[in-house]
Amino acid sequence: DAGITQSPRHKVTETGTPVTLRCHQTENHRYMYWYRQDPGHGLRLIHYSYGVKDTDKGEVSDGYSVSRSKTEDFLLTLESATSSQTSVYFCAIMASGGASYEQYFGPGTRLTVT
Amino acid sequence: AQSVTQLGSHVSVSEGALVLLRCNYSSSVPPYLFWYVQYPNQGLQLLLKYTSAATLVKGINGFEAEFKKSETSFHLTKPSAHMSDAAEYFCAVSDRGAGANNLFFGTGTRLTVIP
Repeated sequence: DAGITQSPRHKVTETGTPVTLRCHQTENHRYMYWYRQDPGHGLRLIHYSYGVKDTDKGEVSDGYSVSRSKTEDFLLTLESATSSQTSVYFCAIMASGGASYEQYFGPGTRLTVT
Repeated sequence: AQSVTQLGSHVSVSEGALVLLRCNYSSSVPPYLFWYVQYPNQGLQLLLKYTSAATLVKGINGFEAEFKKSETSFHLTKPSAHMSDAAEYFCAVSDRGAGANNLFFGTGTRLTVIP
């Protein structure tokens, strides 16, 4: 257990509304990631962070923004939700120390955009 | 560029039979490779990892995987399937970037175990 929580766990929202998903970690890891999971696509990286206020885009970043004002929290915002953003969103951290690079995942947030 | 191909989106085996889930990778750098398992309505759990040490890697729940550079493969095996192994399995490769270590996932293989 890497001490990762995500909130909310489930959300239904309407097209055009803003949505913010929160990822919280308790173990002071530097690297944090947001992925989306869709059938037939596996997991795809949206954005990642390598420190407070340090973020970068991943493979599918269009329509998403992120913020990290504290080490423990990484927020994913959909500025104006669309039906194509209906997905399961996972937050992950990279274990600090060593060189094995494995990531550990939160329980996920299921987002439905109607 | 890094990518992973998982052959077979669905695999069915009988309880007690060999499990073989296939993963082939493409990487511009010596790869770090991972297998994750996802049970229904849960996050991903790390099964095992290859990071350029031993080519045969043992993981949790009796799974193992062998890194074969000549075949660019990292197939996951288990000698005897158990009902509790039913889940979705993902292979991933790291880009071993300058610190960020982004993972590139395959599309997953759903394993069904038949009693």
